[in-house]
Amino acid sequence: GAVVSQHPSRVICKSGTSVKIECRSLDFQATTMFWYRQFPKQSLMLMATSNEGSKATYEQGVEKDKFLINHASLTLSTLTVTSAHPEDSSFYICSAARQSNTEAFFGQGTRLTVV
Amino acid sequence: AQSVTQLDSHVSVSEGTPVLLRCNYSSSYSPSLFWYVQHPNKGLQLLLKYTSAATLVKGINGFEAEFKKSETSFHLTKPSAHMSDAAEYFCVDVYNTDKLIFGTGTRLQVFP
Repeated sequence: GAVVSQHPSRVICKSGTSVKIECRSLDFQATTMFWYRQFPKQSLMLMATSNEGSKATYEQGVEKDKFLINHASLTLSTLTVTSAHPEDSSFYICSAARQSNTEAFFGQGTRLTVV
Repeated sequence: AQSVTQLDSHVSVSEGTPVLLRCNYSSSYSPSLFWYVQHPNKGLQLLLKYTSAATLVKGINGFEAEFKKSETSFHLTKPSAHMSDAAEYFCVDVYNTDKLIFGTGTRLQVFP
């Protein structure tokens, strides 16, 4: 199957700093990438959908100025958590789709801890 | 609104015994349903998917799931659990062709 690489797998940062998470599709062109956040004991929650070359579409309740998403190419999307706070600590995971999402390919996820 | 309910947050079985992980959906239209597995420190992996071609879907690693419209269910089963099956399992529905709705996940423990 297709491979999606997410980096870093774990990151610890201080409050107030920014963290960038990368999501790459290694062997296919991803027209659409999705960013999810997983809260403890809860399901994955879709944060935003990004299409290459256009602005991301954010889900209700997700601060677009805090969670900056860039999808500059067909193989790379980035999520930047700006001015991170401890409540931003979570598991973030991306997925990529070629076109209509009949199957999603997921990255390994990033465990973010803000101290 | 569409939702996916996984009825059990934890399931524990002995190795060699059957596995049943339950999932109910609430799509108002014909759903596209998936089961994913997440092993520790690894990305989600697709186990199987239902796309209306057949109600009984066979996936990888001996897993299968049966779509029952009358019960709005898509339960995941395996005849004989293996230690390597211990992981988190997610039932997922797709809506608007490109958005996924995840269940809360079921952690499967397999005891020797």
